[in-house]
Amino acid sequence: DIQMTQSPSSLSASVGDRVTITCRASQSISSYLNWYQQKPGKAPKLLIYAASSLQSGVPSRFSGSGSGTDFTLTISSLQPEDFATYYCQQSYSTPEVTFGPGTKVDIK
Amino acid sequence: EVQLVESGGGLVKPGGSLRLSCAASGFTFSSYSMNWVRQAPGKGLEWVSSISSSSSYIYYADSVKGRFTISRDNAKNSLYLQMNSLRAEDTAVYYCASESYYDSSGYHHYYMDVWGKGTTVTVSS
Repeated sequence: DIQMTQSPSSLSASVGDRVTITCRASQSISSYLNWYQQKPGKAPKLLIYAASSLQSGVPSRFSGSGSGTDFTLTISSLQPEDFATYYCQQSYSTPEVTFGPGTKVDIK
Repeated sequence: EVQLVESGGGLVKPGGSLRLSCAASGFTFSSYSMNWVRQAPGKGLEWVSSISSSSSYIYYADSVKGRFTISRDNAKNSLYLQMNSLRAEDTAVYYCASESYYDSSGYHHYYMDVWGKGTTVTVSS
């Protein structure tokens, strides 16, 4: 099984900050990596697919990068509606996908 | 509007059974693979099961294999999850999600782009 880790597990940031979240796979997954945002009590929302492709309708302040085992999600200027938990997910072993443990972004 | 709506959750005793449903609308349900993903209280996301568009391919997480059965009815635009021999650790919000892919030079990058709001399953005596 491919294990996913994320760091940090949580962070506090202010509106306007640049935020970077890291995701690491236990083996190389090329660019088979997706990012989701989840707000409390809501379903996950797809942000980024194939490591760096922005899902339709997602603001351009979100970007993804990486390949192999190391990936990053960057929010260039944090907005109030971005406070949420972010999950990476590998799709290399589709359909048996695995998610990272999540990174919670809250208000400083 | 593209929409998935889960139903069928509730409180059940350990060892009991429950059948979840997911009603799809606003897209060609029969063309997409579908997934069940769950989230235990305060925990992260866990993939549970997947079924291909024509039901030819079915997969389960090891944690539910032999106890859960995924199925679909394309004529009714519906996805199902039959859950038997339920355990306390099956307590979670269960989401259905459709799967799409991005073709990059013949390589398919799959992702879950449409999610329902979830239905809550509680296994407790």
